[in-house]
Amino acid sequence: GEKVEQHESTLSVREGDSAVINCTYTDTASSYFPWYKQEAGKSLHFVIDIRSNVDRKQSQRLIVLLDKKAKRFSLHITATQPEDSAIYFCAGRTGNTGKLIFGLGTTLQVQP
Amino acid sequence: GGIITQTPKFLIGQEGQKLTLKCQQNFNHDTMYWYRQDSGKGLRLIYYSITENDLQKGDLSEGYDASREKKSSFSLTVTSAQKNEMAVFLCASSSGQNSDYTFGSGTRLLVI
Repeated sequence: GEKVEQHESTLSVREGDSAVINCTYTDTASSYFPWYKQEAGKSLHFVIDIRSNVDRKQSQRLIVLLDKKAKRFSLHITATQPEDSAIYFCAGRTGNTGKLIFGLGTTLQVQP
Repeated sequence: GGIITQTPKFLIGQEGQKLTLKCQQNFNHDTMYWYRQDSGKGLRLIYYSITENDLQKGDLSEGYDASREKKSSFSLTVTSAQKNEMAVFLCASSSGQNSDYTFGSGTRLLVI
């Protein structure tokens, strides 16, 4: 079955810099890749997604890139702010069940 | 807007005890999921249900039962709690195979 690997377990950046989190997946049939944010002591909430029919999507300071050939996708957070500090999870979906396979999460720390 | 509610927020049980976690959503979503979150292990799927009375096993179903008697609710039972077990159980729902998840706030389990 699908496996999703999240490459950075922790990431520290200075406020205002960009942060990049990389994920890879194994199933070439995967077609949907969402990202979730988990702030300290809270549950996960959806931040952005990308589908396999495009290779780039942007929502304000968040950019997701998808490279289907390399089976890789990445989240770019530009002009980081302290409130971006959280754990970010990437996920992939394959088949028609709707279930997501999650990466292990990346703890992002934005230092003032 | 809708809401997904998990009860209880905290659950302390004894070794060998059967424990039940509940999840309710009013989005009218078809699909519901139970994930277990352990530190350093990301989210692992326990059970999911694509419609009322449907149950599908995830990767971590051993030691758990689930029940989806109504479209709006999905419960999870730990059949025999293991001592020193500590985890967060997250319920989520989605409207279909191409939709993101909405997560509940989680149930924190501690077994003594």
